[in-house]
Amino acid sequence: DSGVTQTPKHLITATGQRVTLRCSPRSGDLSVYWYQQSLDQGLQFLIQYYNGEERAKGNILERFSAQQFPDLHSELNLSSLELGDSALYFCASSPSTGDAYEQYFGPGTRLTVT
Amino acid sequence: DAKTTQPPSMDCAEGRAANLPCNHSTISGNEYVYWYRQIHSQGPQYIIHGLKNNETNEMASLIITEDRKSSTLILPHATLRDTAVYYCIVRAYKAAGNKLTFGGGTRVLVKP
Repeated sequence: DSGVTQTPKHLITATGQRVTLRCSPRSGDLSVYWYQQSLDQGLQFLIQYYNGEERAKGNILERFSAQQFPDLHSELNLSSLELGDSALYFCASSPSTGDAYEQYFGPGTRLTVT
Repeated sequence: DAKTTQPPSMDCAEGRAANLPCNHSTISGNEYVYWYRQIHSQGPQYIIHGLKNNETNEMASLIITEDRKSSTLILPHATLRDTAVYYCIVRAYKAAGNKLTFGGGTRVLVKP
């Protein structure tokens, strides 16, 4: 158990819909990262927040957005969903953005868009 | 971050040591070598990381060559539960964020 929790575990929704994925980092961790894992693209970094502020952006679509709240939990919002958005979405946390800190991953949310 | 090259797959006998190679010939002086593994669609699990010196923890050992162009992850006594995809990642500290860039990894199958 990494100490990172993600809800829900599974999500099935239709094209065009909007969903929200939630992540609670390990106690005390200030940084939250979101990754997407699809069959054809592998694990890809989407976005990072540090203590409530956006720190880095990866290949995140404009239809996707995220935020980190004062209690440090984070939400990833996916809108106008397409079939290709079906994937595993992982959240990770680390104590800082510092150089050698490892990231600890949650169990993921499996999103299926039908 | 420097690119890494790993064999796509390897088999290992249960109870034997598993040696997983990684090539990172373009690594620069401030870049660390990290290893993660992913067991069948679970979240990636941190294993170990190092900069120059060899490192050991309860899970594995990391051997980094003197020129730092390659490294080897050693699982000393592989068990069936070590069957997973292992990712070697090279990452430098960046104030603007420290994402992990995952490649294809090595799919390790531990056989009884």
